[in-house]
Amino acid sequence: DQQVKQNSPSLSVQEGRISILNCDYTNSMFDYFLWYKKYPAEGPTFLISISSIKDKNEDGRFTVFLNKSAKHLSLHIVPSQPGDSAVYFCAASARKTSYDKVIFGPGTSLSVIP
Amino acid sequence: DTGVSQNPRHKITKRGQNVTFRCDPISEHNRLYWYRQTLGQGPEFLTYFQNEAQLEKSRLLSDRFSAERPKGSFSTLEIQRTEQGDSAMYLCASRGANTGELFFGEGSRLTVL
Repeated sequence: DQQVKQNSPSLSVQEGRISILNCDYTNSMFDYFLWYKKYPAEGPTFLISISSIKDKNEDGRFTVFLNKSAKHLSLHIVPSQPGDSAVYFCAASARKTSYDKVIFGPGTSLSVIP
Repeated sequence: DTGVSQNPRHKITKRGQNVTFRCDPISEHNRLYWYRQTLGQGPEFLTYFQNEAQLEKSRLLSDRFSAERPKGSFSTLEIQRTEQGDSAMYLCASRGANTGELFFGEGSRLTVL
């Protein structure tokens, strides 16, 4: 069973516009959420995270929103740039449990068109 | 460079051979993770160490897979009697006790012919 879902395999956005990537989770024990970016032939790199005690976290052009009641989070990138073209993974963990396995979604491939 | 280091970066082997991958985590990180990624999928959790203790193994990890972290520093992932279905990118990540994010290496790509 897939505990972290990213239902859009791909997304295309014009340069300068907003990119919105969505993620849903099923495990109510998850309390820490992360977004990673991956270029081909490289390992994923950390972008931004949010704890379940918050509903928003912002870092430069990147903002993550968390809706715990809907078990949904989203990553907003504004303005989008061609260099943002990559695969984005949503991930979640249950840090208050005795171990903290991090579970990843299947990813969304973002293309930012110049 | 003090990031997570993995080697070899690419391994091509024939079916039935054994392969071993090595991961050197960020030195002060006590947690080390192995993931496997195939095309079009996200990283799938394989196993996790806290110091030298292996705390969890995924059901994805068959008896042919074994991972060690003998001194709580570097880790090895061995695959015995490789099968074509083992072809994937094997990713290692580490994190410290007080940080939330995982830091990934560049991965070791396995191709089983």
